[in-house]
Amino acid sequence: DAGVIQSPRHEVTEMGQEVTLRCKPISGHDYLFWYRQTMMRGLELLIYFNNNVPIDDSGMPEDRFSAKMPNASFSTLKIQPSEPRDSAVYFCASSFAGANVLTFGAGSRLTVL
Amino acid sequence: AQRVTQPEKLLSVFKGAPVELKCNYSYSGSPELFWYVQYSRQRLQLLLRHISRESIKGFTADLNKGETSFHLKKPFAQEEDSAMYYCALRAGNEKLTFGTGTRLTIIP
Repeated sequence: DAGVIQSPRHEVTEMGQEVTLRCKPISGHDYLFWYRQTMMRGLELLIYFNNNVPIDDSGMPEDRFSAKMPNASFSTLKIQPSEPRDSAVYFCASSFAGANVLTFGAGSRLTVL
Repeated sequence: AQRVTQPEKLLSVFKGAPVELKCNYSYSGSPELFWYVQYSRQRLQLLLRHISRESIKGFTADLNKGETSFHLKKPFAQEEDSAMYYCALRAGNEKLTFGTGTRLTIIP
């Protein structure tokens, strides 16, 4: 298994543009998490899914952020419109039967100019 | 709500010296505590968890419920220990709450 796969690895965009980040979890994992990493706040949980169903989205900053998981092997995190303060590294992680141990992807580094 | 506090954003230690990365948590029940590590150009990965009570790469961490702490320790730092370290808490539900992280630099 190639592990958790995220794309793109780097994204540079201009303020106001739509950004879509993608994640493929490890096959068989039933939990998927989206985290945002910044120097000031560390790792913040944005949203997580169980069996493709969103369970807790209380960490999503505002309505500009949305996440979907149409099937067990794919999830997206969308920001529309993007703002400079959204610049961060976004991590996807997956786990099996709860959050005891997370396997992280390599992250998507987003820069909004 | 659960919270994890890592008071030091940056920590520099000389090679061979002892290392202690501090982590405090707030949760009224029985937590599960973890340390995750991110080495340069590598993915964030699990280092150790308190229920395992094991030593990984020379690191240990003891859960102190009285002080609500889970400090990470190593008696003799090595250059390859330089990394970003995150303490994390699972408080009876499904999600992990992370601290803000400590960047450890080992000085040769």
